[in-house]
Amino acid sequence: QQQVKQSPQSLIVQKGGIPIINCAYENTAFDYFPWYQQFPGKGPALLIAIRPDVSEKKEGRFTISFNKSAKQFSLHIMDSQPGDSATYFCAASNWGGKLIFGQGTELSVKP
Amino acid sequence: DGGITQSPKYLFRKEGQNVTLSCEQNLNHDAMYWYRQDPGQGLRLIYYSQIVNDFQKGDIAEGYSVSREKKESFPLTVTSAQKNPTAFYLCASSEPGQDNYGYTFGSGTRLTVV
Repeated sequence: QQQVKQSPQSLIVQKGGIPIINCAYENTAFDYFPWYQQFPGKGPALLIAIRPDVSEKKEGRFTISFNKSAKQFSLHIMDSQPGDSATYFCAASNWGGKLIFGQGTELSVKP
Repeated sequence: DGGITQSPKYLFRKEGQNVTLSCEQNLNHDAMYWYRQDPGQGLRLIYYSQIVNDFQKGDIAEGYSVSREKKESFPLTVTSAQKNPTAFYLCASSEPGQDNYGYTFGSGTRLTVV
């Protein structure tokens, strides 16, 4: 019940495409859902996060969609660029608790 | 600038040796974490500490040890009991209860057994 399942494991899109990464969780007590971006050889960095009282949050080209009834949330990257090529992790937690991470998605944006 | 400093960036260990990875933060965060990252395996929690002088085992604590004597420091020792220590190790910190709650990660230490 503590798992967060992330898919796909890897994703290749053309420049300008809209990659979508999906995550699903079981624990209904989770109330904080962040996404992290990691470049090779670096630590992950917080990209965007959402609480369950909203269904969508946008920050620049990055959007989180949240479906509380389905216990799913997803990351969309609009007008993707080669510089967006990285590994993306979703995560979930109770507010203030330790994060449970998904397995990661390796995104490659081709020029 | 506030952040997390991990050192060294690269570390080589001989069979049977203990090695210690350093993690220091100046964010005044109460909670600190150690993760191990292997290709295709995501982030696996080794140990975490929510307050000074207290820490808990994560999912893969066997062969590792930690201490939390100061708020800003959370060193990880990889002991000889850890049979496959080659990996990328990440330290993180957080301040539970903050409005913008989230983890801040260091740049990692890549440990290789030689």
